[in-house]
Amino acid sequence: GENVEQHPSTLSVQEGDSAVIKCTYSDSASNYFPWYKQELGKRPQLIIDIRSNVGEKKDQRIAVTLNKTAKHFSLHITETQPEDSAVYFCAASKGNTPLVFGKGTRLSVIA
Amino acid sequence: GAGVSQSPSNKVTEKGKDVELRCDPISGHTALYWYRQRLGQGLEFLIYFQGNSAPDKSGLPSDRFSAERTGESVSTLTIQRTQQEDSAVYLCASSFESRGEQFFGPGTRLTVL
Repeated sequence: GENVEQHPSTLSVQEGDSAVIKCTYSDSASNYFPWYKQELGKRPQLIIDIRSNVGEKKDQRIAVTLNKTAKHFSLHITETQPEDSAVYFCAASKGNTPLVFGKGTRLSVIA
Repeated sequence: GAGVSQSPSNKVTEKGKDVELRCDPISGHTALYWYRQRLGQGLEFLIYFQGNSAPDKSGLPSDRFSAERTGESVSTLTIQRTQQEDSAVYLCASSFESRGEQFFGPGTRLTVL
């Protein structure tokens, strides 16, 4: 089955700097790659997703890139703010199968 | 509109007792998922319902775990003879289609003493 690896497990950046989180997946048939943000004690919420027919998607300070050949995708957050501090999860799925999540990255933005 | 709701929000039980967790998905969502999240860990897939199809139970960790869904509405996750390692937050999510965005409920925090 699908296996998703996520790195790094923790990331600290200064406010205003960029943060990059990377994920790799094993099943080349996977075609949907969402990113979720989970604040402490809260439920995960979708922040951006990408499907395999595009290589990049951007939404304000957040962008996701996908390299199907290498089977990896990345989350980029620019101009980080303290409220970006949270745990971020990547995931992958194909067709009508459930999401397989990475183990998460704890992002700390230091003011 | 209302989001995904779960009940109870917290459940404390004694080892060996059975527990039942409830999930109310967003109305009209055909797909429903259960995940387990241990403290400080990622989301572990448990079971998936899609419309009237047979559920995907491939993530259930043991035969003590079972789940049901009534049509395209409420789902219950039952854990029999609970063990301490079952302590976790159990999250439910629903989506309009199986490939759509998953919306998560607030979770049920289960503590097995």
